[in-house]
Amino acid sequence: EDQVTQSPEALRLQEGESSSLNCSYTVSGLRGLFWYRQDPGKGPEFLFTLYSAGEEKEKERLKATLTKKESFLHITAPKPEDSATYLCAVQSYGGSQGNLIFGKGTKLSVKP
Amino acid sequence: NAGVTQTPKFRILKIGQSMTLQCTQDMNHNYMYWYRQDPGMGLKLIYYSVGAGITDKGEVPNGYNVSRSTTEDFPLRLELAAPSQTSVYFCASSYTGENTEAFFGQGTRLTVV
Repeated sequence: EDQVTQSPEALRLQEGESSSLNCSYTVSGLRGLFWYRQDPGKGPEFLFTLYSAGEEKEKERLKATLTKKESFLHITAPKPEDSATYLCAVQSYGGSQGNLIFGKGTKLSVKP
Repeated sequence: NAGVTQTPKFRILKIGQSMTLQCTQDMNHNYMYWYRQDPGMGLKLIYYSVGAGITDKGEVPNGYNVSRSTTEDFPLRLELAAPSQTSVYFCASSYTGENTEAFFGQGTRLTVV
């Protein structure tokens, strides 16, 4: 069974304090791993797609990396506006077409 | 572009009532999805569609029905609402079903009392 586990559940950082969020996954065959950002009361907003081990993608203060078992979302010098819940999802070759298997998310709070 | 639009944003239903959650997208995407998000849980797929006239069940389809008569619209029907259907519902769309990001609507918060 395809599974995604995110840790920690919640993370509190001071502004400028860099850290990483973890997403470990078990899938029959990985089509892609997706990172989304979700603000309270809003729908998930796409950040990155990673397809193969060793791949990295960056966007502003965020950098996503992928290994064969997990992905990390590194946040460098975060600002309060980076506060949100970050969702990791995988798409597998064995699943329904287009279906994303989501983790429970990591709620990030960045204090000024 | 409006993207994915869901209505209503909030709704309270009594047990046994029925309702339709509306979803429309203006990106000409072939694939559309309905997810539900419960507190402390990951999003779960209810139904999906790969094109007009084609729908299929996801992980948690019981108590729901869908139809896809046009590319743009993908309504979700709740028949005989139950408290277990209290959740936040998200509609999403993507250009293909493989390796392309999904775009989500703002969600419908449904409470069944």
